[in-house]
Amino acid sequence: GESVGLHLPTLSVQEGDNSIINCAYSNSASDYFIWYKQESGKGPQFIIDIRSNMDKRQGQRVTVLLNKTVKHLSLQIAATQPGDSAVYFCAAGGGNQFYFGTGTSLTVIP
Amino acid sequence: NAGVTQTPKFQVLKTGQSMTLQCAQDMNHNSMYWYRQDPGMGLRLIYYSASEGTTDKGEVPNGYNVSRLNKREFSLRLESAAPSQTSVYFCASTLVGGTEAFFGQGTRLTVV
Repeated sequence: GESVGLHLPTLSVQEGDNSIINCAYSNSASDYFIWYKQESGKGPQFIIDIRSNMDKRQGQRVTVLLNKTVKHLSLQIAATQPGDSAVYFCAAGGGNQFYFGTGTSLTVIP
Repeated sequence: NAGVTQTPKFQVLKTGQSMTLQCAQDMNHNSMYWYRQDPGMGLRLIYYSASEGTTDKGEVPNGYNVSRLNKREFSLRLESAAPSQTSVYFCASTLVGGTEAFFGQGTRLTVV
């Protein structure tokens, strides 16, 4: 299987600053790594994914970095906004089976 | 275009009762999933259906059964509910081999 853990359960950042959320995984055979955002009372929402043969991928205001040597994944959010306040999950796996971490709660301070 | 719709949104059961959680998607996705979310545990896969006509166990299948009724619908059944099944249940769907999962709003189930 796979074990996925986030480094910090909570994170507070000032509006406009960059946020970095970190995640560690255990199975070097995982093909894909995914970040999800979950707002209170809602289902998780896909943010970005990265395949195991890549080390960086950028989206709109987000960047995911993958370090396979130390089995570490991070999500960087540029110019964090109040609407970014949510719980962020990383997931690792492949095919139809993904293993989720426990989540980091991001609070944006106005 | 509703995406993934789950019913009911809330449910309270007594120990030993049975119920079925319903899920439907309108995105023509082949693969569907059931997860449970517990505090401090993240999301855990219960069962999935890679395509119509197939179902497979996930990480925590004990105490549950599933039915892939057709391409749109995937139901989760608790035959004899236990307090340990108190959780928030999410249904999700993806394209075949896809990583972008679309989740429903969740069903909050309490077993007393």
